[in-house]
Amino acid sequence: GENVEQHPSTLSVQEGDSAVIKCTYSDSASNYFPWYKQELGKGPQLIIDIRSNVGEKKDQRIAVTLNKTAKHFSLHITETQPEDSAVYFCAVMRNTGNQFYFGTGTSLTVIP
Amino acid sequence: GAVVSQHPSRVICKSGTSVKIECRSLDFQATTMFWYRQFPKQSLMLMATSNEGSKATYEQGVEKDKFLINHASLTLSTLTVTSAHPEDSSFYICSAGMPQGRAYNEQFFGPGTRLTVL
Repeated sequence: GENVEQHPSTLSVQEGDSAVIKCTYSDSASNYFPWYKQELGKGPQLIIDIRSNVGEKKDQRIAVTLNKTAKHFSLHITETQPEDSAVYFCAVMRNTGNQFYFGTGTSLTVIP
Repeated sequence: GAVVSQHPSRVICKSGTSVKIECRSLDFQATTMFWYRQFPKQSLMLMATSNEGSKATYEQGVEKDKFLINHASLTLSTLTVTSAHPEDSSFYICSAGMPQGRAYNEQFFGPGTRLTVL
């Protein structure tokens, strides 16, 4: 199976600063890596994803980087805002399967 | 596009009763739907994978007779918690996989159902 580790478990940053969350995985066959944002009492929302054939993807203030050799990928949020406060989950999936393996989550707090 | 709904959003029931939760893909057909359970401040735990027209595949440790899953159409899957007990209280989330033909099987999540068993 797949083993996904996510760090840190909690993260507090000042508004305007950057936040970085990292996930490592064990299965080299994994090739789809989405990030989800979950607000209290709601379902996870996809915020960005990356395929194994690219090393970086950016969408406005959010970016994801992937290092397939080292088997880790990271979420980068720049110019953080209070509304970025939420729990963030990484996930990993193989192309040949359809099961997600989730990280343990990071609770991000952006301090105004 | 890719909207998934769940109903009800919140349910409170007495111990021993059964509760049905619906998961619908509103603007696409999902050949596969997934049911997750999430305890407070924890990650999502996959309970079962539901394929339209066939029996669900349950993860190890999940009782199939307690958590009945039906995927009767390409847009609807239901989870029935039978003879619910307080320890079944949790946040249940479904997700729907995108249709065949896509290179990767993306999943889109519903808003979740908060079940409280008294």
